[in-house]
Amino acid sequence: KAGVTQTPRYLIKTRGQQVTLSCSPISGHRSVSWYQQTPGQGLQFLFEYFSETQRNKGNFPGRFSGRQFSNSRSEMNVSTLELGDSALYLCASSNARTSGGETQYFGPGTRLLVL
Amino acid sequence: SQELEQSPQSLIVQEGKNLTINCTSSKTLYGLYWYKQKYGEGLIFLMMLQKGGEEKSHEKITAKLDEKKQQSSLHITASQPSHAGIYLCGADYSSASKIIFGSGTRLSIRP
Repeated sequence: KAGVTQTPRYLIKTRGQQVTLSCSPISGHRSVSWYQQTPGQGLQFLFEYFSETQRNKGNFPGRFSGRQFSNSRSEMNVSTLELGDSALYLCASSNARTSGGETQYFGPGTRLLVL
Repeated sequence: SQELEQSPQSLIVQEGKNLTINCTSSKTLYGLYWYKQKYGEGLIFLMMLQKGGEEKSHEKITAKLDEKKQQSSLHITASQPSHAGIYLCGADYSSASKIIFGSGTRLSIRP
């Protein structure tokens, strides 16, 4: 099976712009989670989608949003970018039908630089 | 995260030596994950532990979860250059597919 794929791998934006990142989960996986990784804050949970519905959400402002399509692919959007949004954005997929307890497999990440 | 403390923050080990990384939770774990990350890349799944007292091994890496399910250790035997990277423990507190990660341990292997 192919692993989790993320596009694009690298992105440069300027403050105030918006950005959309894409994640394709492992075939058959219906749960997709997004994480932000920065040197200062480490790896932090953004949100999780399951069957096109947001099931869990971390402590991030409303500028961070996401969605999931019927084929389980997910997109994450950040509006009005700030310098502090520069980070590695990772998505993970799992076979979880109920919440928790299933291994999450991570993609290679999208590195976003905000200038 | 303060819920999950990982130690040490960094480790330099002579090739061939053994090493241990610890992960301590402030509350009972539903599950504990170990991942490895090469700088700037995605996370590679190593092991998941759920039962108190559980121990799993893969090649030269062994992970244990203590009986109280609040502490885990990752042990590497006869370290090799390929073991270098950042090791992350992640906690599942039964909060629904949300992993809380430790701050990571940066492991370097000295030839």
